[in-house]
Amino acid sequence: QQQVKQSPQSLIVQKGGISIINCAYENTAFDYFPWYQQFPGKGPALLIAIRPDVSEKKEGRFTISFNKSAKQFSLHIMDSQPGDSATYFCAAASGGFKTIFGAGTRLFVKA
Amino acid sequence: KAGVTQTPRYLIKTRGQQVTLSCSPISGHRSVSWYQQTPGQGLQFLFEYFSETQRNKGNFPGRFSGRQFSNSRSEMNVSTLELGDSALYLCASSGLAGGPSSYNEQFFGPGTRLTVL
Repeated sequence: QQQVKQSPQSLIVQKGGISIINCAYENTAFDYFPWYQQFPGKGPALLIAIRPDVSEKKEGRFTISFNKSAKQFSLHIMDSQPGDSATYFCAAASGGFKTIFGAGTRLFVKA
Repeated sequence: KAGVTQTPRYLIKTRGQQVTLSCSPISGHRSVSWYQQTPGQGLQFLFEYFSETQRNKGNFPGRFSGRQFSNSRSEMNVSTLELGDSALYLCASSGLAGGPSSYNEQFFGPGTRLTVL
């Protein structure tokens, strides 16, 4: 019940294309859903986050879509660029205390 | 503001030894969480400290322990090291006190790469 399932494991997208990463959760107590971006040799950095009272949040080329009834949320990267090549983690948290991460998606954007 | 710092950045130990990793959170942050990152398991939550108290703990054996000091700096200790403990250990700090309506923005350090031979 504490798991967050993330797919795909890896993703190759052409420059200018749309990258889509999906996550699903079980625990309805989760009330905060962040996405983190991690480059090699660095720690993860917060990219964008959403709360369950909102169905979509957009920041620049990055959009989170949230489906509360299906307990699913996804990250869309529009106009993907080679600089977006990184590992992306979805996560879910509750009560401000504990964050559960998905397994990660390695994105490679071909120039 | 300076970011989260972790020391050392790299560490090589042998089986059976113990190791202590250190984390200095962003100034003013009182919550520190520790994660283990491995290629096969992703980011696994170890424990979280707030004001020197462990508030939450993941599913790791008792060989993994931690503590937090009054200045919010935190240490993590792994005793009787095993080969499977080789991983990147990440520390993250948060300025939030927690609670049902809190956001959990965490700021990660660069990690300590532990290799157990």
